[in-house]
Amino acid sequence: EDQVTQSPEALRLQEGESSSLNCSYTVSGLRGLFWYRQDPGKGPEFLFTLYSAGEEKEKERLKATLTKKESFLHITAPKPEDSATYLCALTGAGNNRKLIWGLGTSLAVNP
Amino acid sequence: EAQVTQNPRYLITVTGKKLTVTCSQNMNHEYMSWYRQDPGLGLRQIYYSMNVEVTDKGDVPEGYKVSRKEKRNFPLILESPSPNQTSLYFCASSTRTGVESPLHFGNGTRLTVT
Repeated sequence: EDQVTQSPEALRLQEGESSSLNCSYTVSGLRGLFWYRQDPGKGPEFLFTLYSAGEEKEKERLKATLTKKESFLHITAPKPEDSATYLCALTGAGNNRKLIWGLGTSLAVNP
Repeated sequence: EAQVTQNPRYLITVTGKKLTVTCSQNMNHEYMSWYRQDPGLGLRQIYYSMNVEVTDKGDVPEGYKVSRKEKRNFPLILESPSPNQTSLYFCASSTRTGVESPLHFGNGTRLTVT
């Protein structure tokens, strides 16, 4: 069964303290892995799509990487405005083309 | 501005009173979908639509109906709401199939059923 597990559930950082969020997955034939950001009371906002192991994408202080078993969202020198919940989702060849969502990592960045 | 618009943002109702949550997108997207989000359960898909007049069940369709008469609109209907449908609901749209292209989400509808 296709599965997505995100860790940690919650993370608190000081401003400028770099860290990584993890998205571990099992899937038969990865078609795409997505990262979204969700602010409280709002809908998720798309960040990145990764398609194959070794691929990397960057946007400002965020960098997403992908291996055959997990994806990392690296946050470099975070600022308080990076505080949000980060969601990972994927689709595989064997799951009827549905998105499988993780439960998210809630990130708080203190000034 | 490209967006997905849901209404209302907040809704409090009583058990059994039919309600409709509207969703409209202005990006000419073929794919639209409804999700509910609950603590500890994450995002779960209710229904989705690949195009006009084409709808299909997601993972948790019981108690919900949808229709797709126009490309831009995808309303969610609760014929007889129950307290277990209290949740945060999101409408989303995408080009193509919705699982290979990024989803654009609305800002959510927080529904409370008493």
